[in-house]
Amino acid sequence: ILNVEQSPQSLHVQEGDSTNFTCSFPSSNFYALHWYRWETAKSPEALFVMTLNGDEKKKGRISATLNTKEGYSYLYIKGSQPEDSATYLCASLTGSARQLTFGSGTQLTVLP
Amino acid sequence: EAQVTQNPRYLITVTGKKLTVTCSQNMNHEYMSWYRQDPGLGLRQIYYSMNVEVTDKGDVPEGYKVSRKEKRNFPLILESPSPNQTSLYFCASSFTAGGEQFFGPGTRLTVL
Repeated sequence: ILNVEQSPQSLHVQEGDSTNFTCSFPSSNFYALHWYRWETAKSPEALFVMTLNGDEKKKGRISATLNTKEGYSYLYIKGSQPEDSATYLCASLTGSARQLTFGSGTQLTVLP
Repeated sequence: EAQVTQNPRYLITVTGKKLTVTCSQNMNHEYMSWYRQDPGLGLRQIYYSMNVEVTDKGDVPEGYKVSRKEKRNFPLILESPSPNQTSLYFCASSFTAGGEQFFGPGTRLTVL
């Protein structure tokens, strides 16, 4: 089983603060890195799929970077809002590119 | 509407009573998979399927079976459920293994 780790496990920020969290994954045989947003009582929804080293993707106030050589990705949220409160999951696809391995997530709470 | 559906959404059963959780997608996706979510452990892949009649074990396949006779359906079968299979189960699909996953609404299973 591949080790995909996310930190921190949970995070509380004030509305308006910017924040970021980390996903680390095995760098060998890298194929793709996914980020998902998972709100309570809902299903995970895809934010980004990243494949190229140095890639940076953005969706509104949320952006992500990827370093495949050292095996990490950062997710950034600029000007956090209460509706950003959710668990953010990353998942790594490696080797034969058939099996997706998820991290345990970072639970973000944005306080009004 | 493009979606992944799962049934049932909630199920309470007893040890040893065979059950099937259905999963269906209407997006003509080739890749489908089943995950279980347990507190502190994140999403763990049970089985996945690259296409019709092609299935493979994920990280935690013990006690589960799957089949992929049609492209749209990917049922999860528990031949003899045990209490350690009490969990929240998600089905997901995507065009390819590397593509963003579309998740179903989840099935909360309790085995007494």
